[in-house]
Amino acid sequence: DAMVIQNPRYQVTQFGKPVTLSCSQTLNHNVMYWYQQKSSQAPKLLFHYYDKDFNNEADTPDNFQSRRPNTSFCFLDIRSPGLGDAAMYLCATSRGGTLGEQYFGPGTRLTVT
Amino acid sequence: GEDVEQSLFLSVREGDSSVINCTYTDSSSTYLYWYKQEPGAGLQLLTYIFSNMDMKQDQRLTVLLNKKDKHLSLRIADTQTGDSAIYFCAESGNKLVFGAGTILRVKS
Repeated sequence: DAMVIQNPRYQVTQFGKPVTLSCSQTLNHNVMYWYQQKSSQAPKLLFHYYDKDFNNEADTPDNFQSRRPNTSFCFLDIRSPGLGDAAMYLCATSRGGTLGEQYFGPGTRLTVT
Repeated sequence: GEDVEQSLFLSVREGDSSVINCTYTDSSSTYLYWYKQEPGAGLQLLTYIFSNMDMKQDQRLTVLLNKKDKHLSLRIADTQTGDSAIYFCAESGNKLVFGAGTILRVKS
């Protein structure tokens, strides 16, 4: 089945220790998104790739970076995680012409100790 | 700016209808969406409505749009325990903007 896969599902990192979250997709969608979702809050868009074009949201902290080496994979790098970065991180994909119809992965829950 | 608001919690009995309400601010949104999130899972697109429509029905789901009042609702007929989840309303301008979600609890 075509899908969006996120690894790992649970990630624990130490305060200030860099961490990378992974996302892959078999849908061959050209747009990939990273969202941050904190408890009882709406998913918040951090950035997205439209093909190879990177689009950062204005209020995304510099601490968050992303890489998309090919169509299938996208990575979220948190350079120096703080306690406030503990959250669920959701990866999503869409076809370019249907930005609202997004397919989400199951998420990675990040804990910062 | 864009803002989407939803009530936080709804509890219904199995077999009853559920109505989840949402208000949005971006009148330029072309489509409005309802997503469902089950525990431990990502969001799943349930249905959507084009902004020039008033109503859309899809099996047990009915979406009503009042564009004048910027009000969107999702009605689930014959609600089942499997419908227990968090439901997110979203508007789309140049990106999806989600509400904080409504927790639907279905009592058997």
